Amino acid sequence: ETGVTQSPTHLIKTRGQQVTLRCSSQSGHNTVSWYQQALGQGPQFIFQYYREEENGRGNFPPRFSGLQFPNYSSELNVNALELDDSALYLCASSLVAGAGEQYFGPGTRLTVT
Amino acid sequence: AQKITQTQPGMFVQEKEAVTLDCTYDTSDPSYGLFWYKQPSSGEMIFLIYQGSYDQQNATEGRYSLNFQKARKSANLVISASQLGDSAMYFCAMRGLIQGAQKLVFGQGTRLTINP
Repeated sequence: ETGVTQSPTHLIKTRGQQVTLRCSSQSGHNTVSWYQQALGQGPQFIFQYYREEENGRGNFPPRFSGLQFPNYSSELNVNALELDDSALYLCASSLVAGAGEQYFGPGTRLTVT
Repeated sequence: AQKITQTQPGMFVQEKEAVTLDCTYDTSDPSYGLFWYKQPSSGEMIFLIYQGSYDQQNATEGRYSLNFQKARKSANLVISASQLGDSAMYFCAMRGLIQGAQKLVFGQGTRLTINP
């Protein structure tokens, strides 16, 4: 059984640029959630994708957007990067959008300079 | 809205001792789930243990147990016989509902350091 994978591991971008982060869900999982974890904080929910549609969103501006593909992998896109976007971005997959337990990937560490 | 509070920013414990990490929660939902995750320096969130609000018994998973006191709204993690590899950040989380999506609401975390 393949676990959740994320790419890239680390990324450095300049303020104002755009970035795309990728996540492959665990085999058999159809739901992907994205979280942002700032340094020294707990993760914050960004949004969730279920069967290729956004299925709930946290308190993040529209410049945070996402996609889910037919194979249930997912992308997180962030436009017009700001310094405060520097964080660890975690992807979690689950079997169902409701009560399923979420399994996390290793994360992508984004630094915005 | 759901909220998780972890009041211990850091804990230092001698190897082989037991340790209790505190977690209190707030929710108006009658049905909820509580989780503990371990996050080593590598960044990955590792699931440790789960407690459902209607579970009659406290959850246990190997050296991990969850001391669930519903009336006090607390869900403390107990690690028995601590090991050097237990040094990490520990997060308590609650499953919450937003626009039909089940999200996890995390506390601020506790950094546990096991001394040899």
